[in-house]
Amino acid sequence: AQSVAQPEDQVNVAEGNPLTVKCTYSVSGNPYLFWYVQYPNRGLQFLLKYITGDNLVKGSYGFEAEFNKSQTSFHLKKPSALVSDSALYFCAVRGRGAGSYQLTFGKGTKLSVIP
Amino acid sequence: GAGVSQSPSNKVTEKGKDVELRCDPISGHTALYWYRQSLGQGLEFLIYFQGNSAPDKSGLPSDRFSAERTGGSVSTLTIQRTQQEDSAVYLCASSTRGENTEAFFGQGTRLTVV
Repeated sequence: AQSVAQPEDQVNVAEGNPLTVKCTYSVSGNPYLFWYVQYPNRGLQFLLKYITGDNLVKGSYGFEAEFNKSQTSFHLKKPSALVSDSALYFCAVRGRGAGSYQLTFGKGTKLSVIP
Repeated sequence: GAGVSQSPSNKVTEKGKDVELRCDPISGHTALYWYRQSLGQGLEFLIYFQGNSAPDKSGLPSDRFSAERTGGSVSTLTIQRTQQEDSAVYLCASSTRGENTEAFFGQGTRLTVV
């Protein structure tokens, strides 16, 4: 079975400082990895994904994520946080193989950027 | 439409009543997912449709829950004899076929059972 862990329920960061939202995963074989963001009373918006190749993936709104196979991690990062980045962030994993389709999500991390 | 559309956006129902939640996926997307998001919880997988294949119903929490997808497009999630623990946000997502494709989510239906 595949699973995702987001060890921090909440992350607080000062505006302008770098931010990191942590994610580790468990899946058989190589993974597809995704980050989504959810603003209050909204659905989830896709930020970025890792498929193959370069371990550093760049996505929307200046976010990036680093895939680390040995640590089974896919941490979300941004060099300089904005107050508008405050939201709920979800990491998700999908395995590879015939019929793989189910996206498994973590419990989410609430990011608060303090002015 | 441009995105995944869900209706209604909010639904308040009395315990024991049946409810139907609707999802209209992005045109051309063959895959459709239903998830449930409870307060303080992550996303709980409910059901998955892919084209004309038999749906994966493994995430449905009880036989009170069912879903269908007509004509490979619109999907309806039905909850019979609703209970208070069914209160949650129900999210629908769609994607093109392929393991490496991202899913696009609707705004969700907030269900409150009183």
